[in-house]
Amino acid sequence: EAQVTQNPRYLITVTGKKLTVTCSQNMNHEYMSWYRQDPGLGLRQIYYSMNVEVTDKGDVPEGYKVSRKEKRNFPLILESPSPNQTSLYFCASRRGANYGYTFGSGTRLTVV
Amino acid sequence: RKEVEQDPGPFNVPEGATVAFNCTYSNSASQSFFWYRQDCRKEPKLLMSVYSSGNEDGRFTAQLNRASQYISLLIRDSKLSDSATYLCVVNEGSQGNLIFGKGTKLSVKP
Repeated sequence: EAQVTQNPRYLITVTGKKLTVTCSQNMNHEYMSWYRQDPGLGLRQIYYSMNVEVTDKGDVPEGYKVSRKEKRNFPLILESPSPNQTSLYFCASRRGANYGYTFGSGTRLTVV
Repeated sequence: RKEVEQDPGPFNVPEGATVAFNCTYSNSASQSFFWYRQDCRKEPKLLMSVYSSGNEDGRFTAQLNRASQYISLLIRDSKLSDSATYLCVVNEGSQGNLIFGKGTKLSVKP
């Protein structure tokens, strides 16, 4: 089944403890992206990647890192999480510039 | 920053009603347009792409007006299961970065 898989689905962590949210897609898509969604603010892009080793900042990149060493994987790294990073995170992938995104099921992160 | 604007709603309609959502975008170079549906606390799912000539998929019709820079989604014969938030999505230009509107909430009542 064609899908985007992100893990974990739920995570509660403490301020400052480094964490990684994994994202993998099995559709051989070129583009991948991370979004966060907060009430009243909609989907905001954190980082995106147009190909292996090519990443760029989205609207809200502060406090996040990404890497794209392989086409299928695009992990999101929070080096020192803070409570304002409590949010619902979505990973997404798409075939190319004129295609829509397929989203993963989301990761609900709480930083206390 | 290029913007995509939607009426947040909520739109409360009875079953069987016809409802229309509009969305405006600011980047005249945009070339790809989509409507997504998002159920509460779930991931957005692609509902349909929007083509220049307009397109239909069952009860759903999408239209694009490039001159006025807006797209629309029409839902006929609303079902209870259509209750969701509908997101308008526009690509930002040549690199194709997608911009999401904040969504319009639809609630279909019996």
